Amino acid sequence: DTAVSQTPKYLVTQMGNDKSIKCEQNLGHDTMYWYKQDSKKFLKIMFSYNNKELIINETVPNRFSPKSPDKAHLNLHINSLELGDSAVYFCASSHRLDRSYEQYFGPGTRLTVT
Amino acid sequence: EDQVTQSPEALRLQEGESSSLNCSYTVSGLRGLFWYRQDPGKGPEFLFTLYSAGEEKEKERLKATLTKKESFLHITAPKPEDSATYLCAVGYNQGGKLIFGQGTELSVKP
Repeated sequence: DTAVSQTPKYLVTQMGNDKSIKCEQNLGHDTMYWYKQDSKKFLKIMFSYNNKELIINETVPNRFSPKSPDKAHLNLHINSLELGDSAVYFCASSHRLDRSYEQYFGPGTRLTVT
Repeated sequence: EDQVTQSPEALRLQEGESSSLNCSYTVSGLRGLFWYRQDPGKGPEFLFTLYSAGEEKEKERLKATLTKKESFLHITAPKPEDSATYLCAVGYNQGGKLIFGQGTELSVKP
């Protein structure tokens, strides 16, 4: 039973293309997140949705657009891909009403832009 | 500026050699201190949450402690399977936002 799943696991594309990454969680959580992990392994939050409502939107280029069709799914669409977008993107989820914000991560999507 | 700093960046231990990892932070509106383990090619795996100074949590060979300015992850008699990157994060008073440190890469040799 995969708690947080992402597709695809690997994504290789050329500069200027548009791509999407999908995320699904079966934990019954109401909050989902997108993180970017760079080549130095530094993990930084990009977006957070709670019950389909955007609650965290860090300083991310407008080319990145999250979409949450329901509270179990959070997708990330990236327009006009650039070399600097190459990274590993992680989806995570948590139960916002829980005081802890303990977040559970998916396996990651390694995006390579050539 | 809100910041989380982990040290050392890398740590090599012999099997059975106990040690500690450090996580220092400067964050206003702290909502918990979190430890994660990340294996190569995988997502971070949740280990512990600590909320207040003096609190301790244990899991197998790992024990996490918290003071007002830092947290320690103590590893007692480590085994090769404990090799991983250990990430520290602080919960920020803003809707579930976590600020991560850069991680400590632990290698335990048999």
